[in-house]
Amino acid sequence: DAGVIQSPRHEVTEMGQEVTLRCKPISGHDYLFWYRQTMMRGLELLIYFNNNVPIDDSGMPEDRFSAKMPNASFSTLKIQPSEPRDSAVYFCASKPGQGSRQPQHFGDGTRLSIL
Amino acid sequence: DQQVKQNSPSLSVQEGRISILNCDYTNSMFDYFLWYKKYPAEGPTFLISISSIKDKNEDGRFTVFLNKSAKHLSLHIVPSQPGDSAVYFCAARLSKTSYDKVIFGPGTSLSVIP
Repeated sequence: DAGVIQSPRHEVTEMGQEVTLRCKPISGHDYLFWYRQTMMRGLELLIYFNNNVPIDDSGMPEDRFSAKMPNASFSTLKIQPSEPRDSAVYFCASKPGQGSRQPQHFGDGTRLSIL
Repeated sequence: DQQVKQNSPSLSVQEGRISILNCDYTNSMFDYFLWYKKYPAEGPTFLISISSIKDKNEDGRFTVFLNKSAKHLSLHIVPSQPGDSAVYFCAARLSKTSYDKVIFGPGTSLSVIP
């Protein structure tokens, strides 16, 4: 079975450019999470969705960050304009809705470098 | 303000010996705890979990211990194998929430030396 699929795996761009990260969750999973991993802050939750609806975006660092989930099989995380401090590994994860103790399944991440 | 702490950024253990990874938390409302394992260039994968009503959960070579009074949990790996070399994240879930928001610790990098 396919796991969580993220694209691109690597992204290098210049500051000021728009960056779009993509995620395809596991089919049938009702929850989708976006995380950011940095050396300083570890793995931090940015936003999560339940049935395509954003539930908690309190972790989104600032207005330059936005996330959408237009349907159950696709989500994007956008940074506009990007800054060097946004450089990190961004993970997407999904989990089934039923059974609150189901663990999250993570994609392999997008390594973002803003020059 | 980190609610889940892993104070050891790294740990080295000889193959065959026990690895003990520690995790401390501050929020008494956490009711469920998980350990994830992460290899380089891959996403974290779920390893083992424990409910706050238990003090131990075992799965093969992996055992998680929970001390609620001390707000402390630990992951024991016995015996340690080179393939266990990875970053281990401790995570905790807030109780009585309508969703599954978990808070991750910063991780501990384990190296098992052959």
